[in-house]
Amino acid sequence: DIQMTQSPSSLSASVGDRVTITCRASQGISNYLAWFQQKPGKAPKSLIYAASSLQSGVPSKFSGSGSGTDFTLTISSLQPEDFATYYCQQYNSYPPTFGGGTKVEIK
Amino acid sequence: EVQLVQSGAEVKKPGESLKISCKPSGYSFTSYWIGWVRQMPGKGLEWMGIIYPGDSDTRYSPSFQGQVTISADKSISTAYLQWSSLKASDTAMYYCARHQAGGRSGYYGDVWGQGTTVTVSS
Repeated sequence: DIQMTQSPSSLSASVGDRVTITCRASQGISNYLAWFQQKPGKAPKSLIYAASSLQSGVPSKFSGSGSGTDFTLTISSLQPEDFATYYCQQYNSYPPTFGGGTKVEIK
Repeated sequence: EVQLVQSGAEVKKPGESLKISCKPSGYSFTSYWIGWVRQMPGKGLEWMGIIYPGDSDTRYSPSFQGQVTISADKSISTAYLQWSSLKASDTAMYYCARHQAGGRSGYYGDVWGQGTTVTVSS
């Protein structure tokens, strides 16, 4: 299975900060990478697919980049509703695998 | 609007059987894969398996092969996840999600259900 490693595992940031989360695959996955947001007690929500394509309805403050093994999720200006845990997932090969998550907390 | 509505919370004893459901709406049930994802208490997401309701093609993650059964009933547009003999370690939140395909037999969930909590305790 392809291993997905996210860093950091948690971070503290202030409202208005620019935040970047990194996801690394154990082997090349082209651009078959998705990002999800999960708030406490809620289901995950799809934010980005194909590494950089925004899901319908997702605000443009979220952006994704990368290809091959290294990927990033950026939140341009953190807002109170963005405090959550973020997961990456590769879907290049079977079985799909998730990163361990990055918890974004309020500083 | 695409929605997936899951069945309610379950409390079971070890050794009991269980079948939880996922009923999508807002799209053609037989035209998209539906997958299941486990989240154990305080932990991350684990992809379990997937079914294509159009022809019942079913695939399991090796970690879950033989542990659960995924099925779908086209007549009532509902997908299922079932256990024949629950263990305490099956205690978790289970999510269904409509999946899109990509890569070499890869899938990701683009619309998710609200989750079903399963608690297994004697």
